[in-house]
Formats: sequence, structure tokens, C-alpha cells
Amino acid sequence: DIHMTQSPSSLSASVGDRVTITCRAGQTIDNYLNWYQQKPGKAPNLLIFTTSNLQSGVPSRFTGSGSGTEFTLTITSLQPEDLATYYCQQTSSLPPTFGAGTKVEIK
Amino acid sequence: EVQLVESGGGLVQSGRSLRLSCAASGFTFEKYAMHWVRQVPGKGLEWVSGISGNPTRMGYADSVKGRFIISRDNAKNSLYLEMGTLGPDDTAFYFCARDKGLNWNSHWPFDYWGQGTLVTVSS
Repeated sequence: DIHMTQSPSSLSASVGDRVTITCRAGQTIDNYLNWYQQKPGKAPNLLIFTTSNLQSGVPSRFTGSGSGTEFTLTITSLQPEDLATYYCQQTSSLPPTFGAGTKVEIK
Repeated sequence: EVQLVESGGGLVQSGRSLRLSCAASGFTFEKYAMHWVRQVPGKGLEWVSGISGNPTRMGYADSVKGRFIISRDNAKNSLYLEMGTLGPDDTAFYFCARDKGLNWNSHWPFDYWGQGTLVTVSS
């Protein structure tokens, strides 16, 4: 199984800040990297797929980049409603695996 | 509007079985692969099983292989997970999720999720 490592495990930032979350894969996964947002008590919600493609309905302040084994999710201007845990997922090889999550808090 | 609604969770004794269901609506069910993903409360996400739009093709995580069976009824727009020989480590919220593609073993992400159903296994 491909191990996915996210950093940091948590962060606290102010409204309007630029926030970056990193996800590293244990081996190359091409661009098959997806990002999900999970708000407290809710189901995960797809934000970005295949590294940089914004899912329909997701605000443009969410962007993804990377290749090979290192990927980033950036929130260009943090909003109060972005309070959530963010997970990366690889779908390059089976089984699909998730990172441990990054909890984003608002200062 | 795509909707996925899980049911069937609850408290069950170790060693017993349980069947989860997921009712789908708002899309052509047979054209999409479906998955079960679980989450221990307060912890991360673990893929459990996936099934293609063609219900004869499926896959499982090693942690559940031989104990869980995934199935679907395209005529009823429903997904199922038959869980056998349950143990405390199976305690989790179980989410059904739609694949963006037709085949469970594709590179696509999971684009819609249900709200989950809680399975608690007592020892």
C-alpha cells in the first residue's frame, strides 16, 4: 500500500491568510492525487482531483499543485467556513489510501 | 441532486454480522462505481471496498477481505455491505461514496459521499 504523509497535522491561521498543506506519497503516484475537506460532523467533500482540477462548486481560493511524490493544497485567502480537516488521497494504485489529515483552525 | 443515504448501522456483538445499505438517487446509478469508506470516530479515512457499475467486479481492503462482501442492485439504486465476523477494530462510521468513473479500480476520486452510519462492535 502507498503511504501518504500530510504536514502539518494541524495549523491555526487568521481569516485572509494563505494556507498551505503538504502531502507526500511513499512512491511516485503520477498526478493521481485528490483533496477532500471534512467539516466537523459531516462527510468528506471532494475539493480537488488529479492534483489540480477544481471540483464543480468549490471556491476558487482552493488550488492544488505538485507531481511525482509531493503535492500541496493551498487556500489563498482563508475564510471562517474553511474550518475543517483536509485529507489527501492517492488513486494511482490499489488500494486507494488517504493521508492522516490536517486540521485547520481559525485564530 | 445526488443523494446517498446509508442505513443499517448499530451496536453488534463481536463475531456477529451486519448488513449496511446505501440508497442512491439523483443520478444514473449503474453508470458509476461505488465504494465504502470507514472512519473511526476522531481518526482518518480508510477505504474498505469498491464495486464497478457492472456488479461482478469488486475489490476489498486486506483488513476486510474474506469477511465483508460488497454488492449492488442497479434496479433498486442500492449499494450494500455485508459485514461478517465483526471485531472491535471494525467500529467506525461507514460512508458510501460515488466514484467519478464506472470502474472501482480506476484513477478517479470519490465525488459524492453519504452522511455515514455508525457501526459499534462490542467485545
